[in-house]
Amino acid sequence: DVKVTQSSRYLVKRTGEKVFLECVQDMDHENMFWYRQDPGLGLRLIYFSYDVKMKEKGDIPEGYSVSREKKERFSLILESASTNQTSMYLCATRGRAVNSPLHFGNGTRLTVT
Amino acid sequence: AQSVTQLDSQVPVFEEAPVELRCNYSSSVSVYLFWYVQYPNQGLQLLLKYLSGSTLVKGINGFEAEFNKSQTSFHLRKPSVHISDTAEYFCAVSNAGNNRKLIWGLGTSLAVNP
Repeated sequence: DVKVTQSSRYLVKRTGEKVFLECVQDMDHENMFWYRQDPGLGLRLIYFSYDVKMKEKGDIPEGYSVSREKKERFSLILESASTNQTSMYLCATRGRAVNSPLHFGNGTRLTVT
Repeated sequence: AQSVTQLDSQVPVFEEAPVELRCNYSSSVSVYLFWYVQYPNQGLQLLLKYLSGSTLVKGINGFEAEFNKSQTSFHLRKPSVHISDTAEYFCAVSNAGNNRKLIWGLGTSLAVNP
């Protein structure tokens, strides 16, 4: 089974702090994704990466950046956290095949105070 | 542009009753269709998918879905639900030719009551 591990389950940060959310996968998947999930808004794609050092903006990249230095690790960075970034953050991976499903981590619930 | 509409935000149902969660999509190209489930305090997991072939797709936990191209629908069904099916269900679509991104519905919260 694919395992997608997000480093923190719950995180509380202060406004203005730099925040790192880490995601590690163990299945050698090329594609990795960061979503945020908010009530009534569903899942929104922040960034995705289809290879090491490659990244593409999703639908809501503002206020975020990402890093993928190794294939198994995809980091989401909040350069200066704001209260409107309080959310559930979900990491997902997918293999190369066009019909591969997404595999999700259990999420990080971030609260910015 | 592609879009996905889940017609019901909340569906309450009694245990052992049948349930249908509705999903409609819009797309001008061939699509892949997915249903994902999110149990409380967990990430999402794949329930079933339609890629091609038979329009009736069977998934895990007794769920099935039917692809209807003329009605652009992909409704999820289960003949008899259990308390443990209480969860959030998401429908998603991708372009069959380029599926780097999924387009997601807003989700349907299924509450199974005893």
